[in-house]
Amino acid sequence: ETGVTQTPRHLVMGMTNKKSLKCEQHLGHNAMYWYKQSAKKPLELMFVYSLEERVENNSVPSRFSPECPNSSHLFLHLHTLQPEDSALYLCASSPVREGHEKLFFGSGTQLSVL
Amino acid sequence: GQNIDQPTEMTATEGAIVQINCTYQTSGFNGLFWYQQHAGEAPTFLSYNVLDGLEEKGRFSSFLSRSKGYSYLLLKELQMKDSASYLCAVVDSNYQLIWGAGTKLIIKP
Repeated sequence: ETGVTQTPRHLVMGMTNKKSLKCEQHLGHNAMYWYKQSAKKPLELMFVYSLEERVENNSVPSRFSPECPNSSHLFLHLHTLQPEDSALYLCASSPVREGHEKLFFGSGTQLSVL
Repeated sequence: GQNIDQPTEMTATEGAIVQINCTYQTSGFNGLFWYQQHAGEAPTFLSYNVLDGLEEKGRFSSFLSRSKGYSYLLLKELQMKDSASYLCAVVDSNYQLIWGAGTKLIIKP
């Protein structure tokens, strides 16, 4: 148990669906992250929030839309996804937004786009 | 460009020792992380090295040579539960994390 909870664990959606991924952390951290993990590829940083403000958006397509309503919760809203978006989506948190801070990850949402 | 290299897969025997290497070429260096990720689970922190040398934590040790752009993770007295992927990540000069693709370690009885 890392203190970071993600739901759902698995999600299958069609290309025309709209769905949301949820992440919650009970660690009192101020920074939260969305990562994409594809098989045999490095983790790809998608979005970073620090104190509920988006501080990084790494050229992610607009079909992915993050939301951070408070420092404990992070969402990733999905719409009109493509099959190549199928991957494991990991949420992480850290005490502050500093590169040398260790990350606490959730178990991820395994997404399949049909 | 920035690059982290680690073997895709390794196999070792229960009770043995295995060394997982990580070489990096990055714009600057502000530390190197190792994370462990069991299949279907969250990556979890193993170690952080910022100075040259070996740091030991129980059965796991991590080594860093900044001049060679090289690190390794040493796992001793291997147990079946050590079967997992091991992720190497470097903090660059902009304090961005650069990730390797991970090494899948398979432990055989």
